[in-house]
Amino acid sequence: EPEVTQTPSHQVTQMGQEVILRCVPISNHLYFYWYRQILGQKVEFLVSFYNNEISEKSEIFDDQFSVERPDGSNFTLKIRSTKLEDSAMYFCASSGTGERQGYTFGSGTRLTVV
Amino acid sequence: LAKTTQPISMDSYEGQEVNITCSHNNIATNDYITWYQQFPSQGPRFIIQGYKTKVTNEVASLFIPADRKSSTLSLPRVSLSDTAVYYCLAVFSGGYNKLIFGAGTRLAVHP
Repeated sequence: EPEVTQTPSHQVTQMGQEVILRCVPISNHLYFYWYRQILGQKVEFLVSFYNNEISEKSEIFDDQFSVERPDGSNFTLKIRSTKLEDSAMYFCASSGTGERQGYTFGSGTRLTVV
Repeated sequence: LAKTTQPISMDSYEGQEVNITCSHNNIATNDYITWYQQFPSQGPRFIIQGYKTKVTNEVASLFIPADRKSSTLSLPRVSLSDTAVYYCLAVFSGGYNKLIFGAGTRLAVHP
């Protein structure tokens, strides 16, 4: 079964540092997403991406965040200057066209800001 | 997007059938009902999706009555490994838009 792959699985960073979270979506999917989940809280939408541009973003996705698809396979989330409250699980997801089989999520990156 | 309401938690025992009901009184004509499962420290996993009547796959069944104001996810003969959080979502069918997750239903399966 095709998978969405995320790296690293766990990242610890100091407040104010930049982090890049990486994702490899399913190869024939065209829509890509980032979600986050703070410990014990709901899964929250951050951003959706299609045709090399942002389709929609939430209020959480402020100027500190950016996304990029640098090549044909990777999809990245960059946080420019991390804050303590950015500590969370970050999930990448992708979806295809045509059939309605839901979104495929990766296993996540646990980001810890200290 | 329609708001969905589901129980916060449920308990069951191995081998039993579990039915989780979700209310979505304001569901729009173009919305599908989708269910996801999430284990601790893992991403949500798609279980099943439907529009009306009954849908069945290898892991679950989904019942949606004609008025579509509610739906029921049925898990046949649960095992300990079905202990997870289950989310009911209304998803717009006209595009590939964001998913809005609620708190979900925390299912605990006991031996």
